[in-house]
Amino acid sequence: GAGVSQTPSNKVTEKGKYVELRCDPISGHTALYWYRQSLGQGPEFLIYFQGTGAADDSGLPNDRFFAVRPEGSVSTLKIQRTERGDSAVYLCASSQDSHNEQFFGPGTRLTVL
Amino acid sequence: GESVGLHLPTLSVQEGDNSIINCAYSNSASDYFIWYKQESGKGPQFIIDIRSNMDKRQGQRVTVLLNKTVKHLSLQIAATQPGDSAVYFCAENRGKIIFGKGTRLHILP
Repeated sequence: GAGVSQTPSNKVTEKGKYVELRCDPISGHTALYWYRQSLGQGPEFLIYFQGTGAADDSGLPNDRFFAVRPEGSVSTLKIQRTERGDSAVYLCASSQDSHNEQFFGPGTRLTVL
Repeated sequence: GESVGLHLPTLSVQEGDNSIINCAYSNSASDYFIWYKQESGKGPQFIIDIRSNMDKRQGQRVTVLLNKTVKHLSLQIAATQPGDSAVYFCAENRGKIIFGKGTRLHILP
């Protein structure tokens, strides 16, 4: 069956621009997670949704980062006024609920010039 | 701060030999660990998990050992194959996943 998909696979933008990254979770999965992976590091948690609501956003680095999941399925991670330090692979994962195995998408590689 | 960490950033193993990747954690209350495999250009893939009420768990060609006394866990891969070449992460599941830095496994022909 279809796994977690993320679009775009690559995004190059200029410093100061706004970007949106999309995640399509596995159908029926109520929990959705965003992580960020810098080069040579393990993924770092950003935010977790249970249904439509953000249950834990403690990993968002600052208020330039925001995520939504308006209908409890697709989620969008939004980054305002991008900085070079935002360059990373942004990973999305989904699970049946918060205590089940998380399935990861392939990630979006964001490059801020 | 980071609660799980791997001992070696890289590990080279001869094809056909067994691989052992080690990991330490700091929080004695941690009770659920997962090993992930990440190939280039892909997201992490679940390999095997273990909860603190177990010392050992086996899967297909993989075994995870948990030593709660010294807060250490290891992933053993039997008869390592070229397809095992990847970065391996130990991680703690607290709902959100807390990843360590990873060990890159190189397979030598």
